[in-house]
Amino acid sequence: GDSVTQMEGPVTLSEEAFLTINCTYTATGYPSLFWYVQYPGEGLQLLLKATKADDKGSNKGFEATYRKETTSFHLEKGSVQVSDSAVYFCALTHLTNAGKSTFGDGTTLTVKP
Amino acid sequence: EPEVTQTPSHQVTQMGQEVILRCVPISNHLYFYWYRQILGQKVEFLVSFYNNEISEKSEIFDDQFSVERPDGSNFTLKIRSTKLEDSAMYFCASRERPSYNEQFFGPGTRLTVL
Repeated sequence: GDSVTQMEGPVTLSEEAFLTINCTYTATGYPSLFWYVQYPGEGLQLLLKATKADDKGSNKGFEATYRKETTSFHLEKGSVQVSDSAVYFCALTHLTNAGKSTFGDGTTLTVKP
Repeated sequence: EPEVTQTPSHQVTQMGQEVILRCVPISNHLYFYWYRQILGQKVEFLVSFYNNEISEKSEIFDDQFSVERPDGSNFTLKIRSTKLEDSAMYFCASRERPSYNEQFFGPGTRLTVL
């Protein structure tokens, strides 16, 4: 079955540092890939997505590129802010009638001033 | 902007009681989902629902769980006899059509079983 593996956390960075959160996946076919963010006590917010190989998703300074050759979708941001502190989930979804999402374990990011 | 809504935001119940969690998906969406997230853990798929029937369900979704779309707008998750381990955040999600892969998630219902 499908699976998503994220780098273990927690990750602690200073403000303006460079962020990378690794995500690799195992899936048949060509899933779509997503990053979701969850702030404390809140639900899941879609951060960015990519639907095919070599697509780059971007939003709010975050980027991730769909790399089929390495089955990866690493999240990056050039300069993090304290407000980026949250849990980040990598996920994949297939275009099937069920279309369920498979999530990684989540990576907790704390950004210190 | 249309959004998925869920009620209640927090439900506290006694072990063995039945609970119904409610969701209102985005109005033109055809596919509906429930996920759960035990505190501090990953988000897990429970069930998908399309055309008034279950499309797929996970091992977690046993006979204690059921889903229903009673009136064309609400989508409910019922847990017949809650257990302590059912305590979690439950997320509803909806998707517009087969060719559209993005799911829109609701804010979640936190279920606490005492």
